[in-house]
Amino acid sequence: DVQMTQSPSNLAASPGESVSINCKASKSISKYLAWYQQKPGKANKLLIYSGSTLQSGTPSRFSGSGSGTDFTLTIRNLEPEDFGLYYCQQHNEYPWTFGGGTKLELK
Amino acid sequence: QVQLKESGPGLVQPSQTLSLTCTVAGFSLTSYNVHWVRQPPGKGLEWMGVIWNTGGTRYNSALKSRLSISKDTSKSQVFLKMNSLQTEDTATYYCAREHYDGTYYSYYFDYWGQGVMVTVSS
Repeated sequence: DVQMTQSPSNLAASPGESVSINCKASKSISKYLAWYQQKPGKANKLLIYSGSTLQSGTPSRFSGSGSGTDFTLTIRNLEPEDFGLYYCQQHNEYPWTFGGGTKLELK
Repeated sequence: QVQLKESGPGLVQPSQTLSLTCTVAGFSLTSYNVHWVRQPPGKGLEWMGVIWNTGGTRYNSALKSRLSISKDTSKSQVFLKMNSLQTEDTATYYCAREHYDGTYYSYYFDYWGQGVMVTVSS
């Protein structure tokens, strides 16, 4: 199975700042990485797929980059609604696996 | 609009069988694949299995011996059954729709249910 390692596990930032979350795959997954946002009481939200393609409705302050084994989610000009949990998922091969998550908290 | 909603018992006794239902709206199970994903409290997400639009299934090998996924297309429902539950199966269980653009299936999830918390305890 492809192991997905996210870093950092926790991140504190203030509105208006920019942050980056990293996801590393244990083997090459080409460009096939998705990012999700998780918030209490809400359905998980797909943000980005295929490494850098924004899902319809995802604000342009979100961007994804990377290929092979190393990927990054960047959020510029943080808004209050951006705080929550973020997960990466490789969608290159079975079984589809997720990173351990990054909790983005208000500083 | 697209909706998925999980339902099932909140408490299951050890060694018993878990039965969950995912009721979908806004799309057809004859066109889309639906996956089950779970999340133990305070932990990450684990992909469990999928039922394809064709009715075929594929399971995480770690759960394969205990897991069964089926569907009733006419009722827009997908079912999960997992036997021999243990305390480590305590988790929030999600169903999620796999993205399909009309030509290709993409193995990521564009819509999720809100999840149902299942506690395994006597």
